[in-house]
Amino acid sequence: AQSVTQPDIHITVSEGASLELRCNYSYGATPYLFWYVQSPGQGLQLLLKYFSGDTLVQGIKGFEAEFKRSQSSFNLRKPSVHWSDAAEYFCAVGLYNFNKFYFGSGTKLNVKP
Amino acid sequence: GAVVSQHPSWVICKSGTSVKIECRSLDFQATTMFWYRQFPKQSLMLMATSNEGSKATYEQGVEKDKFLINHASLTLSTLTVTSAHPEDSSFYICSARETGQAGEKLFFGSGTQLSVL
Repeated sequence: AQSVTQPDIHITVSEGASLELRCNYSYGATPYLFWYVQSPGQGLQLLLKYFSGDTLVQGIKGFEAEFKRSQSSFNLRKPSVHWSDAAEYFCAVGLYNFNKFYFGSGTKLNVKP
Repeated sequence: GAVVSQHPSWVICKSGTSVKIECRSLDFQATTMFWYRQFPKQSLMLMATSNEGSKATYEQGVEKDKFLINHASLTLSTLTVTSAHPEDSSFYICSARETGQAGEKLFFGSGTQLSVL
């Protein structure tokens, strides 16, 4: 079955530490890949996206993600986390030129002082 | 950049009433819009795909008679929660697809928090 998996429901890191959030997808072809962030009670903010080309993509707020076709993964990384990064992060895939668009289950990030 | 306006951002209604949520693309035409529902502490679940001028395509398990979607113009899609009940309380988000020279893009509204008493 087609799916988007974020295996980590909840992650806590110390401020200044590095971060990696995992995302795996299961689709027949390479989909369009996205990472969104959602603060409590807020809508979605796009962090970055991958359509094609360079598999390492840079986003806003110092985030980056790497597409690995062999692993069907699109993990989100940040070298040094700030307290303001505490939020929920969603991986998403778009199929067939956005005829469908699905989200992963989300990873809630807590940042310790 | 392109903006999607979703209104209202917050609504409280009595059980049994209907609530309409609007999703507008402000500076582009959107032939396709999506509607999502998000339960507390959960992900966004795709409810339906709304195509301008045709019937919406609903995901499995979504009641089409309960969640009426109308996409009458290239800039407006509406979701009507009919005969709302407390279990319909949720955060609803729309998104609109823009097709341009730069390719396909997807933009999200800011969401509507529905509370049914």
